[in-house]
Amino acid sequence: KNQVEQSPQSLIILEGKNCTLQCNYTVSPFSNLRWYKQDTGRGPVSLTIMTFSENTKSNGRYTATLDADTKQSSLHITASQLSDSASYICVVRNSGTYKYIFGTGTRLKVLA
Amino acid sequence: ETGVTQTPRHLVMGMTNKKSLKCEQHLGHNAMYWYKQSAKKPLELMFVYNFKEQTENNSVPSRFSPECPNSSHLFLHLHTLQPEDSALYLCASSRDRDTEAFFGQGTRLTVV
Repeated sequence: KNQVEQSPQSLIILEGKNCTLQCNYTVSPFSNLRWYKQDTGRGPVSLTIMTFSENTKSNGRYTATLDADTKQSSLHITASQLSDSASYICVVRNSGTYKYIFGTGTRLKVLA
Repeated sequence: ETGVTQTPRHLVMGMTNKKSLKCEQHLGHNAMYWYKQSAKKPLELMFVYNFKEQTENNSVPSRFSPECPNSSHLFLHLHTLQPEDSALYLCASSRDRDTEAFFGQGTRLTVV
């Protein structure tokens, strides 16, 4: 069954600290994996996209990793800022059906 | 701003009302999408249009009726909705079905 599971569901950290969000998937066959950031009441915005051959990709303070063997991805946020408070959604595309499978997201809150 | 504009941003409607959501993009994209986002649930793809033709309808009730008059505009017509239809409705567009989707800000719909 094609599923995407994210953990933790929610996370609170202090400004300046690092954190790592997890995404495990059972989607097969795999095409690509995207991380989106969604501010409250707004649409998701893409952070990174990773294909089968990519292990790490960075976008500023955001670094995504992908282990296609274990079907796991992580999003690491360095030196968190208040503006990082948002939901982070992992999306995996099935290369057979071309469908996108969305995770439920991790809600991150950064406190001053 | 992602280049995808949705109106209205907020909508409250009774169960007997008829209303429409509007989505507009001038990114030159050929694919447009409607998603539903309910609390604590993954994004649900509702409809896909590619070159103005509907290519996916993911078992959406007939009280939701999409319309795509041209490649820049997408509507979602609503009638006789139920309270459980209250959610954030997101429109997205992409150059084609294989490329990154850009999301609008969403319409927060409340059915009373």
